[in-house]
Amino acid sequence: GQSLEQPSEVTAVEGAIVQINCTYQTSGFYGLSWYQQHDGGAPTFLSYNALDGLEETGRFSSFLSRSDSYGYLLLQELQMKDSASYFCAVSTGGFKTIFGAGTRLFVKA
Amino acid sequence: NAGVTQTPKFQVLKTGQSMTLQCAQDMNHEYMSWYRQDPGMGLRLIHYSVGAGITDQGEVPNGYNVSRSTTEDFPLRLLSAAPSQTSVYFCASSPTGGNTEAFFGQGTRLTVV
Repeated sequence: GQSLEQPSEVTAVEGAIVQINCTYQTSGFYGLSWYQQHDGGAPTFLSYNALDGLEETGRFSSFLSRSDSYGYLLLQELQMKDSASYFCAVSTGGFKTIFGAGTRLFVKA
Repeated sequence: NAGVTQTPKFQVLKTGQSMTLQCAQDMNHEYMSWYRQDPGMGLRLIHYSVGAGITDQGEVPNGYNVSRSTTEDFPLRLLSAAPSQTSVYFCASSPTGGNTEAFFGQGTRLTVV
């Protein structure tokens, strides 16, 4: 089967740094994506990693290690508006993208 | 810029009824997909299409049909609604498939009673 594992909840303080991990086991792998979803809203794209290493986009960074089937999303200088659910997703080939169950991030003042 | 438009936003169906969820995109994307989102289960792929006339099954296709007669439209049909199909449904499109940014519609919240 195919599975993506990520923590169900993470809590952090405003201004801090938080890391959301994702491990995957899939039949194929082309890349790892991250999406953000606020309550009642649609998922929005944050980042995509096809190769090992760190990709940085503003306050958000995403890391991938293909050999470890592992990636993470790093959020820096946390703001209250970052409170949302974060999903990792794997492109498995055959044009399919499989999503994890999501990590709910709570940012406290 | 409309992006991905889903209609309706909310729908209540009785068990056994059929209906079609509409999805349209104006970005000329080849790849479109349907997901359902249930609490604690993330997004699960129902069906997807890599271009007009081409569709394929995702993780949870049973009870749903799709067709893709044009690049812009990708409707999802529920053949005989069941309470287990109560969920939030999202349509997404992307230029070439899973390795590019997917754009999601605002979702359809469906309740089957």
